Amino acid sequence: DQQVKQNSPSLSVQEGRISILNCDYTNSMFDYFLWYKKYPAEGPTFLISISSIKDKNEDGRFTVFLNKSAKHLSLHIVPSQPGDSAVYFCAASGRGDTDKLIFGTGTRLQVFP
Amino acid sequence: NAGVMQNPRHLVRRRGQEARLRCSPMKGHSHVYWYRQLPEEGLKFMVYLQKENIIDESGMPKERFSAEFPKEGPSILRIQQVVRGDSAAYFCASSPLRTGGTGELFFGEGSRLTVL
Repeated sequence: DQQVKQNSPSLSVQEGRISILNCDYTNSMFDYFLWYKKYPAEGPTFLISISSIKDKNEDGRFTVFLNKSAKHLSLHIVPSQPGDSAVYFCAASGRGDTDKLIFGTGTRLQVFP
Repeated sequence: NAGVMQNPRHLVRRRGQEARLRCSPMKGHSHVYWYRQLPEEGLKFMVYLQKENIIDESGMPKERFSAEFPKEGPSILRIQQVVRGDSAAYFCASSPLRTGGTGELFFGEGSRLTVL
């Protein structure tokens, strides 16, 4: 029962171009969504989040878009940099839940020169 | 302000032995979460604890696994009679208060358990 899905296990993008990472969810009770970035042999680090009352949140090169009707969110990175190469996890939490985050399976982004 | 500290970073156990993984949350954080990442998979929630209380253990296997977060000292994830399928990276995360659904957690670097 995978409530948060990242259907693309990997993505390769040229430096300077836009990276778009996608995430779908099934639980309509989710009301907060986050993206985490993970380098090998390290723990995930928080990147950006969005509440369900918004449809867009921007922080520098990173923008998250939320489409509630489609139960879909995406992370845009522009311009992409080689240092962005990592695994990106989408996560969701629900009001009334115990605040645990439900993670997707991750998308490995590689940004090449 | 030190981050979430996990130890050991690497642990090797033979089948049937016990594994104990420790997590010291960030200073001022009283909420601890444990996640497991199996090879080539995402992070799976295991358990959420506050000091001296288990709040949500819906992700914990029914047998052999237990967790605690005592009043003093680190949180401990204990795996008894380990099997090869327990080999994974175990991540601890903490937050300063009940996040109310805003969800940002601070993760440690993980403990990698290998069962021979």
